[in-house]
Amino acid sequence: AQSVTQPDIHITVSEGASLELRCNYSYGATPYLFWYVQSPGQGLQLLLKYFSGDTLVQGIKGFEAEFKRSQSSFNLRKPSVHWSDAAEYFCAVGRGSTLGRLYFGRGTQLTVWP
Amino acid sequence: GAVVSQHPSWVICKSGTSVKIECRSLDFQATTMFWYRQFPKQSLMLMATSNEGSKATYEQGVEKDKFLINHASLTLSTLTVTSAHPEDSSFYICSARDGTSFNEQFFGPGTRLTVL
Repeated sequence: AQSVTQPDIHITVSEGASLELRCNYSYGATPYLFWYVQSPGQGLQLLLKYFSGDTLVQGIKGFEAEFKRSQSSFNLRKPSVHWSDAAEYFCAVGRGSTLGRLYFGRGTQLTVWP
Repeated sequence: GAVVSQHPSWVICKSGTSVKIECRSLDFQATTMFWYRQFPKQSLMLMATSNEGSKATYEQGVEKDKFLINHASLTLSTLTVTSAHPEDSSFYICSARDGTSFNEQFFGPGTRLTVL
């Protein structure tokens, strides 16, 4: 069975600082990996995804993530955080054979200080 | 594009009653819809997968008779929580997949269910 671990429940950074949110997955084959952001009152929005190819993936809003097979990780990064980035971030894993079923980590709440 | 709506956004009901939640894809045809449940400060838990015109596939541990899912058209799926109890109180989120973008899903804003 696949599982996703987000070890950080809550992260606080200052505006303008860099950010890294951690995500580890447990799955035998190469998974499909996603990062979503959830803001209050809004649906989850896809930030980026990795299916294959270049292990450094660029997403929306200046986010990027790097797939590291050896570490079973897919960490999300942003070089300079904006106050509007404060939200809940979810890492998710899926696989082709399950036709789109996604399994989510518990989420990381990001607080941004001015 | 790729907007998914849910109705209602919140609902309060008495224990023992049934509640229906609608999930609609507004600008695309959703061949597959998913239903998730999210507890406070926790992850989204996949409950079931529904394909238009066929029976839903439930995840292990999810009661089929408690959570009835119907996907009658390519733009609408409904989740009915039958004989709701306080422990069913949660945030229910649907997502839809248009089949053209492999594995990408578009999420609704969620429905907050409170059972008294």
